Amino acid sequence: ETGVTQSPTHLIKTRGQQVTLRCSSQSGHNTVSWYQQALGQGPQFIFQYYREEENGRGNFPPRFSGLQFPNYSSELNVNALELDDSALYLCASSLGRAWNEQFFGPGTRLTVL
Amino acid sequence: GENVEQHPSTLSVQEGDSAVIKCTYSDSASNYFPWYKQELGKGPQLIIDIRSNVGEKKDQRIAVTLNKTAKHFSLHITETQPEDSAVYFCAAGEVGGSARQLTFGSGTQLTVLP
Repeated sequence: ETGVTQSPTHLIKTRGQQVTLRCSSQSGHNTVSWYQQALGQGPQFIFQYYREEENGRGNFPPRFSGLQFPNYSSELNVNALELDDSALYLCASSLGRAWNEQFFGPGTRLTVL
Repeated sequence: GENVEQHPSTLSVQEGDSAVIKCTYSDSASNYFPWYKQELGKGPQLIIDIRSNVGEKKDQRIAVTLNKTAKHFSLHITETQPEDSAVYFCAAGEVGGSARQLTFGSGTQLTVLP
């Protein structure tokens, strides 16, 4: 059984650019949630995907968007990057729409200059 | 929306002593309360969780208590070891609700001194 993987590990972008982050969910999991974790803070929920459809969204602007693919892997896209977007982006996979244990990946560290 | 407050932000204990981290939540609809441990350079790892139909849950050296009336929940680690040093996060969520998010506290840096 493989765990949650994310790519890339680190990324440096400049303000105004666009970025795509990727997540492969744990084997057998069909739900992926994305979180933003600023330095020294707890993770903040961005959105969740269940079977390729958005299944809940936190308080993030529309320039944060996502996709889930038939194999349940997922992408997080951020357009028009701002300095405050610098953070660790975490994805977590789980099974089903009801609350089950969420397994987190190691995260992607995004730095916006 | 839900708001979770976590205290203390840092905690140092001697090896073998107990550590207690406390959280409060605001939304009475929340009924699922997990605790995560995050080591440097890694994602959060679930260490224990509790649902609102239970007042206490224990797993070896780790226990969690929940007071629904006061909207408090706490993590207790006994016989602490150096490998327990990490950042611990509490979170709250609503099973069966329309919102699918976990709301996290701001974290507690636990240091276990040898």
